[in-house]
Amino acid sequence: DTGVSQDPRHKITKRGQNVTFRCDPISEHNRLYWYRQTLGQGPEFLTYFQNEAQLEKSRLLSDRFSAERPKGSFSTLEIQRTEQGDSAMYLCASSTRRGNEQFFGPGTRLTVL
Amino acid sequence: DQQVKQNSPSLSVQEGRISILNCDYTNSMFDYFLWYKKYPAEGPTFLISISSIKDKNEDGRFTVFLNKSAKHLSLHIVPSQPGDSAVYFCAAMLYSGGGADGLTFGKGTHLIIQP
Repeated sequence: DTGVSQDPRHKITKRGQNVTFRCDPISEHNRLYWYRQTLGQGPEFLTYFQNEAQLEKSRLLSDRFSAERPKGSFSTLEIQRTEQGDSAMYLCASSTRRGNEQFFGPGTRLTVL
Repeated sequence: DQQVKQNSPSLSVQEGRISILNCDYTNSMFDYFLWYKKYPAEGPTFLISISSIKDKNEDGRFTVFLNKSAKHLSLHIVPSQPGDSAVYFCAAMLYSGGGADGLTFGKGTHLIIQP
């Protein structure tokens, strides 16, 4: 399978705990995006990378959120001191530098108890 | 403020008929538009897109129409098939010239194809 993969698919955690999600983009894609989707809403943009450089961050990305893409391949999204409002589907997408279409992974569903 | 609006939360269409999904946007700077389809427990799947310099793009059973003056686009599916039942998202972007930036999505329309 050469699509975008995300791990884990599901995560249940207690409020106050830290969680980390991983995204592996399509191999030749050098742009990688993170989105968050809550029930009844469309995906909301969080941040994106071109290679290892983080080029844009949404104001939705509070100080408790941090994303990295250290070698320009896979990316991690960490949420510190989770809150119940962080419960959502976290989606990763990738694209080529010149491509407009973004291809999404299956998402990680986070539930904060 | 919702910059991309899909005002119909759901739409029911008979199999074989045309499905028309609508989308409105408020930001006149948007210059590229995309439609995604999403099944439960899966990520969105890219369907079709259109640049603001065009008014129509067709791919098989899917056609997207763009009316820039009205800030409106629509997705036509002809003929509708049972496998088309899913949530459809309209998305827009500002073209930076260097590839896609963050997309702005609508809330989605749940399309149900009746047998």
